[in-house]
Amino acid sequence: NIMLTQPPSVSESPGKTITISCTLRGGNIAGNFLQWYQQRPGSSPTTVIFEHYHRPSGVPDRFSGSIDRQSNSASLTISGLRTEDEGYYYCQSYGDNIKGVFGGGTKVTVL
Amino acid sequence: EVQLVESGGGLVQPGRSLRLSCVASGFTFDDHSMHWVRQAPGKGLEWVSGISWNGNVIAYADSVQGRFIISRDNAKNSLSLQMNSLRAEDMALYYCTRGAGTNLVGEGYHFDNWGQGTLVTVSS
Repeated sequence: NIMLTQPPSVSESPGKTITISCTLRGGNIAGNFLQWYQQRPGSSPTTVIFEHYHRPSGVPDRFSGSIDRQSNSASLTISGLRTEDEGYYYCQSYGDNIKGVFGGGTKVTVL
Repeated sequence: EVQLVESGGGLVQPGRSLRLSCVASGFTFDDHSMHWVRQAPGKGLEWVSGISWNGNVIAYADSVQGRFIISRDNAKNSLSLQMNSLRAEDMALYYCTRGAGTNLVGEGYHFDNWGQGTLVTVSS
C-alpha cells in the first residue's frame, strides 16, 4: 500500500510564499494523479490542485502544484500568502490496488 | 449546482450496524465514480470506499474491508454505505464525495465535490 507523508504544520507571514511537501512511499509519484485539498475549520474540503498541476476554476493562481521525480514527492506552493489561506491542506492519490490514500494533513498558519 | 446530501448517521453501540445514504443532484449521477471519506474528531481525512459508475468496481480501505459495503442506485441517484460490526475507531464524520471520472482510476480519484457529512458516533 502507498503512503503519503506531509509536514504537520507550516507558518509564515502574509505576503510570503510557502511550500508544502507530500512524499510518496510505495509508488511512483508520476504514476497516478495526485490532488491537494484545502479544509477550512468547520467546512468540507475543496480542491486547490488536481492531477498534480491543474487548478480548478475559481482557485487563484497563487496556488500551484509540482512533482519531483528524484525525491518522489509532490509540492503545493502558495505565494502571496493571505489570512484566508489558513486551514489544513491534504494531498491525496491512489495506489495500484485502487485504494485511495490521503496524506496526514498540514496545518497552515498565517502569522 | 452539484449537491450531495448525506444522512443516516447517529449514535450506535460497538458491534452494531448503521447504514449511511447520500442523495445526489445537479449532475448526471452515473457519469461519476462515488466515494466515502471520513474524518475522526480532530483528525485528518481517511478514504473509506469507492465505487465505479456502474457499480462493477469497488474498493475498500483495509480498515473497513469485510465490515463495510458500498453500493449505488443510479436510478435513484443515491449512494449507500452499510457499516457492520462498528468499532470505536469508526467514529467520524462521513463525507459522500464525487469522483471527477467514471472509474476507480485517474480522474475518478479526484474528489471534486463533497457533501457536508453525517456524524457517526460509536459508544456504549
